[in-house]
Amino acid sequence: QLQLQESGPGLVKPSETLSLTCTVSDASMSSSSYYWAWIRQPPGKGLEWIGSIYFSGNTYYTPSLRSRVLISKDRSKSQVSLQMNSVTTADTAMYYCARLRGYWAEDWGQGTPVTVSS
Amino acid sequence: EIVLTQSPGTLSLSPGERVTLSCRASQSVRSDYVAWYQQKSGQAPRLLIFGASSRATGIPDRFSGGGSGTDFTLTISRLEPEDFAVYYCQYHDNPLYTFGQGTKLETK
Repeated sequence: QLQLQESGPGLVKPSETLSLTCTVSDASMSSSSYYWAWIRQPPGKGLEWIGSIYFSGNTYYTPSLRSRVLISKDRSKSQVSLQMNSVTTADTAMYYCARLRGYWAEDWGQGTPVTVSS
Repeated sequence: EIVLTQSPGTLSLSPGERVTLSCRASQSVRSDYVAWYQQKSGQAPRLLIFGASSRATGIPDRFSGGGSGTDFTLTISRLEPEDFAVYYCQYHDNPLYTFGQGTKLETK
């Protein structure tokens, strides 16, 4: 059964760079049927799509975050990564990795909490 | 940019009741790009419905989705205690994705 495991520092200082990794437990990164996304959820609020990366390596980001975000993948390590620079307290959230199929997020990781604070 | 508006924000209901949640798009959208998720407290979201009306693997048949154009619905035919959660609709606004703000089902 697929497992998506997010990891990264739980605490980041304002203006610094947030780096998260999602490790995929099966071989689905080798399939063109799947692609990958990062989604976040501030405390007590709704879901926000950060961006997606396709099998080809093409990436798409939500416009409000596009200038600060980079999503990449490493098939050899079965990992998808998120980098977000110049973070502020508004970036405090639970960050989820998701496997997309079609036009929806079929599987989700358990999430990793990130707090931006000095 | 497509905006999804879910209503109501919160619903107070009892187990056994039938409920229909609404998701309205700011313009007419493709039904096959609409999905619904359930999020229980402290958990990650779970895919319920994709393509507006197809149930995801393992989802009970008391959950059903429908709609077209700008108006989409998620219906739970008979609420079970485990169904009290927050529900989100989502649209693939090619190449981006957007969520509604969610509807919370709480126990009356």
